[in-house]
Amino acid sequence: NAGVTQTPKFQVLKTGQSMTLQCAQDMNHNSMYWYRQDPGMGLRLIYYSASEGTTDKGEVPNGYNVSRLNKREFSLRLESAAPSQTSVYFCASSVPAGSYNEQFFGPGTRLTVL
Amino acid sequence: AQSVTQPDIHITVSEGASLELRCNYSYGATPYLFWYVQSPGQGLQLLLKYFSGDTLVQGIKGFEAEFKRSQSSFNLRKPSVHWSDAAEYFCAVGARGNTPLVFGKGTRLSVIA
Repeated sequence: NAGVTQTPKFQVLKTGQSMTLQCAQDMNHNSMYWYRQDPGMGLRLIYYSASEGTTDKGEVPNGYNVSRLNKREFSLRLESAAPSQTSVYFCASSVPAGSYNEQFFGPGTRLTVL
Repeated sequence: AQSVTQPDIHITVSEGASLELRCNYSYGATPYLFWYVQSPGQGLQLLLKYFSGDTLVQGIKGFEAEFKRSQSSFNLRKPSVHWSDAAEYFCAVGARGNTPLVFGKGTRLSVIA
């Protein structure tokens, strides 16, 4: 099993450009999450999807949209990138509902917005 | 609301010395508690978790943590630190089901010879 995979690993954008970060998991998990990590801020939740077909805002959703394409895939879209969105983005998934919500993380996407 | 506090932003220890990283949480119900480790440039890896039962839990890489309900703490310990333990450590609290975990801001561990 590959676990949680993310593409791309690195990306540089100019202000105003758009892009989609891809995330996929092969563990048959119901829930998936997008976090951003900034120095001194820990991990902050952007959006999550408790199950296929549902999405909910997290702590810092402004400037982002998400799509739960199917059970395996959960994408994060920046419609008009801003320098404040320079960060490392992590996708995670968690074990099925009724269990203990242990999260498994992908390797991250390092995004720079100029 | 759930919250996690890791009071130490950065800790430096000598190789072979013992380590304790502090974590305090605020949660209304029985918490599920986790410690993750992040090596430079990597994703987060689960070190250990507490759901119920024995309050001293063992994890990977020789780490252990103790849940103390009266102190709302879940401190991470290791008897003898190795240089490869240098990383950032995150404590997290969650609940049963699909609610997202809440993470602390992390403690960066440096190991010196």
